[in-house]
Amino acid sequence: GNSVTQMEGPVTLSEEAFLTINCTYTATGYPSLFWYVQYPGEGLQLLLKATKADDKGSNKGFEATYRKETTSFHLEKGSVQVSDSAVYFCALSDKGGSYIPTFGRGTSLIVHP
Amino acid sequence: NAGVTQTPKFQVLKTGQSMTLQCAQDMNHNSMYWYRQDPGMGLRLIYYSASEGTTDKGEVPNGYNVSRLNKREFSLRLESAAPSQTSVYFCASTPGWGQETQYFGPGTRLLVL
Repeated sequence: GNSVTQMEGPVTLSEEAFLTINCTYTATGYPSLFWYVQYPGEGLQLLLKATKADDKGSNKGFEATYRKETTSFHLEKGSVQVSDSAVYFCALSDKGGSYIPTFGRGTSLIVHP
Repeated sequence: NAGVTQTPKFQVLKTGQSMTLQCAQDMNHNSMYWYRQDPGMGLRLIYYSASEGTTDKGEVPNGYNVSRLNKREFSLRLESAAPSQTSVYFCASTPGWGQETQYFGPGTRLLVL
């Protein structure tokens, strides 16, 4: 079956530090890959996505590249802000299968001033 | 445009009580989903409705029932609540089946004593 593995948190950084949150996946078909963000007390919202190998998704200074050879979709940001503090979820949707998304367990990011 | 709305925001139940969680979307989406979010577990799919008039089990359907009342509304019912159902419940929707970005509601926090 499909699965998504994320690095455990919390990740604690100072403002303006570089961020990497690792995500690897297994899928039986041809997945699309996603990063969702959940701010405190809110639902999840799409941050970025990539639909095929070597695609790069980007939004709000965050980037992630779909790496088929390493089955990875790591999230990066060059300079984090306090307002980036949230929980980040990696997810996949298997276009060759049921389209039902599979989510990782989430990684909490805490950014200190 | 409210997107996906959920009621109630918070509920406390005693073991054995029943309740219905309500979800509505105003985006004319065809597909709707119910997830539960538990610490360290990410999101797990309970039930989904690919289109009006259809519902299917997800990963963790035991103890729950759903109703796709119309295109806008998708409710989740707990017939006899158990402490193991203490969780945060999220409703989500997508424009159609196979359209992969999910749009989430703000969540319902449920405590079963």
